[in-house]
Formats: sequence, structure tokens, C-alpha cells
Amino acid sequence: EAGVTQFPSHSVIEKGQTVTLRCDPISGHDNLYWYRRVMGKEIKFLLHFVKESKQDESGMPNNRFLAERTGGTYSTLKVQPAELEDSGVYFCASSQAPGLLNTEAFFGQGTRLTVV
Amino acid sequence: AQSVTQLDSQVPVFEEAPVELRCNYSSSVSVYLFWYVQYPNQGLQLLLKYLSGSTLVESINGFEAEFNKSQTSFHLRKPSVHISDTAEYFCAVSKYNFNKFYFGSGTKLNVKP
Repeated sequence: EAGVTQFPSHSVIEKGQTVTLRCDPISGHDNLYWYRRVMGKEIKFLLHFVKESKQDESGMPNNRFLAERTGGTYSTLKVQPAELEDSGVYFCASSQAPGLLNTEAFFGQGTRLTVV
Repeated sequence: AQSVTQLDSQVPVFEEAPVELRCNYSSSVSVYLFWYVQYPNQGLQLLLKYLSGSTLVESINGFEAEFNKSQTSFHLRKPSVHISDTAEYFCAVSKYNFNKFYFGSGTKLNVKP
């Protein structure tokens, strides 16, 4: 069974450009999450999808970030326009219906974004 | 609000030596505790978790962690490390709905021969 897959693995863009990150969750996982780690700090929650609906987007930094999950399958995270402080590693995770029987979220390898 | 503190950003240790990676948390509600590991060029993987019951939990590769409610800690230990344990370790907490994890800043374990 394929795990959570993220594309690209690395991206270097100039300030002001647009970048789109993609996440393919584990098949059958309705729950999809985006996290971000900036400069060796803690990994921070960005948002949570249940199927195609945004369940919780309390961690999104500002309106330059747009996450979508059309059709409830893969998800994209667009940053437009990118700023220097957006640099970091963006992780995607997926899970089945979370609860005491399903406590684990499965993470992808992350996309390392560098804004120069 | 929930927060997780991992005071040690890096821990160098020689092979076969014991190691302890520290994790403290703060929360206004009951939480569940996790350790995730990231090996080089891989994603985060669940190492072990505490949900309830015995406060000492173990992983399949010899790590263990003990939940200490009074000290709000969940330190990770291994009596004898291997080169293959070289990785970054993240402590995390989650509330009852497991919809969101709060991670610490990670500890890089570097096992030297």
C-alpha cells in the first residue's frame, strides 16, 4: 500500500512567485492534514480536511496560503505570492476517522520550500 | 492551549550507550502523548504512544517512554542505541479528538561508532 506522497520534494522559488505543493494521501483516508516546520522549529498545524471540506484551518498563516482538496482525494497548498518567511518543510498527513481506535496520522516525506 | 518542549536540540551519543530524550508538555486539558521519528530522507513515523493504562510504553525497536502526569513529562529512553537509531525525534500531544498534533521542536539523535 502506498504511503502519503508529496510533490515536489524540493522547491526553490524567488520572493513574489507562486508555488503549489501537492499531497496524495493514503487511499481511503478521508482526513488530510497540512503541517509546516520553519527553520528547525516545531512542526505546526496548518489545516485539516475531512474529504473535501475544511474542518479546521486555524493554523493557516495568512491569506497568501490557499489549500484545496477538490473531490476529496489529493490536496494542493498554494502560496501566492511567496515571502522569505514561508521557507520551511511542509508536511502532509492523512488518517482514517480519528479517535481512540485510529490515533495515528501517517506523514509524507515533506516538501522543502526555499524562498530566495 | 497545548505546547510541547524538547529542550535538547541535538544529542550525540556513542553506539551501545544509553540515551534519554526529554519531552515536557503543558495543557489545560487531558492529552495523549506520542513520539514520532524522522529518519534521513523519510517522513515522520510513529514510534510509540501513550493513550491510557500503564504509564510505561514501548516500541518494537527497544525504545520506551514513561508518562509522568505530575511532572508533565514523556521522556524517551533506550538502554543501548545503534547507529541505525540516528534520526530526529519529535514529541507530540493530541487532545481527545486526535484531529491535531502539537509537536515539539525535535531532537536530533546522532549515534557515533
